[in-house]
Amino acid sequence: GAVVSQHPSWVICKSGTSVKIECRSLDFQATTMFWYRQFPKQSLMLMATSNEGSKATYEQGVEKDKFLINHASLTLSTLTVTSAHPEDSSFYICSALEGHQNTEAFFGQGTRLTVV
Amino acid sequence: DAKTTQPTSMDCAEGRAANLPCNHSTISGNEYVYWYRQIHSQGPQYIIHGLKNNETNEMASLIITEDRKSSTLILPHATLRDTAVYYCIVRVGTGNQFYFGTGTSLTVIP
Repeated sequence: GAVVSQHPSWVICKSGTSVKIECRSLDFQATTMFWYRQFPKQSLMLMATSNEGSKATYEQGVEKDKFLINHASLTLSTLTVTSAHPEDSSFYICSALEGHQNTEAFFGQGTRLTVV
Repeated sequence: DAKTTQPTSMDCAEGRAANLPCNHSTISGNEYVYWYRQIHSQGPQYIIHGLKNNETNEMASLIITEDRKSSTLILPHATLRDTAVYYCIVRVGTGNQFYFGTGTSLTVIP
C-alpha cells in the first residue's frame, strides 16, 4: 500500500511552547488529509479534515486556534499544537486520501507528544 | 460519529479462522464498510473494504449481509501477529471522513 510518513515519531516539549507535526504522503498525491488524536486505551478521535489549498474543517469541540492545520501541498500537511499543556499529551495520527472516493485512507505511524 | 458496534474483545486460537462481527444498521446505500487494525502504538493498517458484495484479498475476507446491516471480517488462519484492535468503519458518504468506533481487541492464543 501507499506510504504516509509522520515526523517526528515522538516529541517532548515544555508547557507553553508550540509543536509542529508533519504528515507526508510519499508516493501519491493526497487531496484530503485527516488528523486524529488517541488517548491511552481509547479509540482514534477525528480532529479535523483538511483539503489541499483550503481551510481545515474541525470536528465539534476541537479548538481551531489551538490545533493549527496547514495543507499547503498535495503531499504535506502539518499540525501545530500551540501553547501546549500537559493535557495535550497524546498520540497524534494523520491519514491521507488519494483523490477519488471509495478508496482506502493510509495512516502515518503516529507521533507521541508529551508535554512536561 | 461512528455508525458501527463491535464486541469489545475476542480470542482466537492460532491457526484457526478469526471471525469478527460488526453491526452497522443505519448504513446508507452508498456508504462503504472499511476494516482497519491497529497494533499497539502504531498507526492503523488498512485491511479491506466493500459496498455490498463479498470481498477477499491477501489479508482477509469481508462478508456483508444482503441487507448491509452487518458484516464479518474473516482472518482465515490467525497468527500471533494478528493480535490487534480491529476497527469496522462506515465511511461518511459526503465528507469522506473515517470515524472510528471502539473496535474489537483480538487476541490470538498460541
